[in-house]
Amino acid sequence: GAVVSQHPSWVICKSGTSVKIECRSLDFQATTMFWYRQFPKQSLMLMATSNEGSKATYEQGVEKDKFLINHASLTLSTLTVTSAHPEDSSFYICSARVSGWEQFFGPGTRLTVL
Amino acid sequence: GQQLNQSPQSMFIQEGEDVSMNCTSSSIFNTWLWYKQDPGEGPVLLIALYKAGELTSNGRLTAQFGITRKDSFLNISASIPSDVGIYFCAGRGNNDMRFGAGTRLTVKP
Repeated sequence: GAVVSQHPSWVICKSGTSVKIECRSLDFQATTMFWYRQFPKQSLMLMATSNEGSKATYEQGVEKDKFLINHASLTLSTLTVTSAHPEDSSFYICSARVSGWEQFFGPGTRLTVL
Repeated sequence: GQQLNQSPQSMFIQEGEDVSMNCTSSSIFNTWLWYKQDPGEGPVLLIALYKAGELTSNGRLTAQFGITRKDSFLNISASIPSDVGIYFCAGRGNNDMRFGAGTRLTVKP
């Protein structure tokens, strides 16, 4: 149980375009999902907390207009990187909270912006 | 805010050796979690600790929640090549969860 999927697993896009990443909880309902960014050889950096049916809570320094998060159902949260630039290239990982504070992570999405 | 210090940053060991890594915090945490991340994948939960002093094993892995609630360690016994990866500690305070910087483990056959 507690399987989280992400789609796509990797994406290459041109600078200035927008990219949508999906995060799904496959066998459970997740009222809360988290979005992280991980640069090479670095730790996970929390970007935002996504609650179903309400606006996401963004961490300090994360532009909410650039990283649009939608959590429309209990099994799906999406992250849209708008007007992507090369510095947005990173590994984006979502996680879902099942109960308590345990988080189960998706496999990640590698974004490369040319 | 709460800071997590994880050490060592990296380890190069021989297959069969035991490994120990730890995390310390400047303040108290209520829960400690240990994750492993394989290259190009998301972290996978290894062990969760909920009470001060708790010692929990998962196969060759053993983790403990420090008595002071400000630290935790993870031990791996008799390492094997597939133990390679990055190990993250995570601590939950009252309102959030923070991750350590990770320990990159390399196991030489």
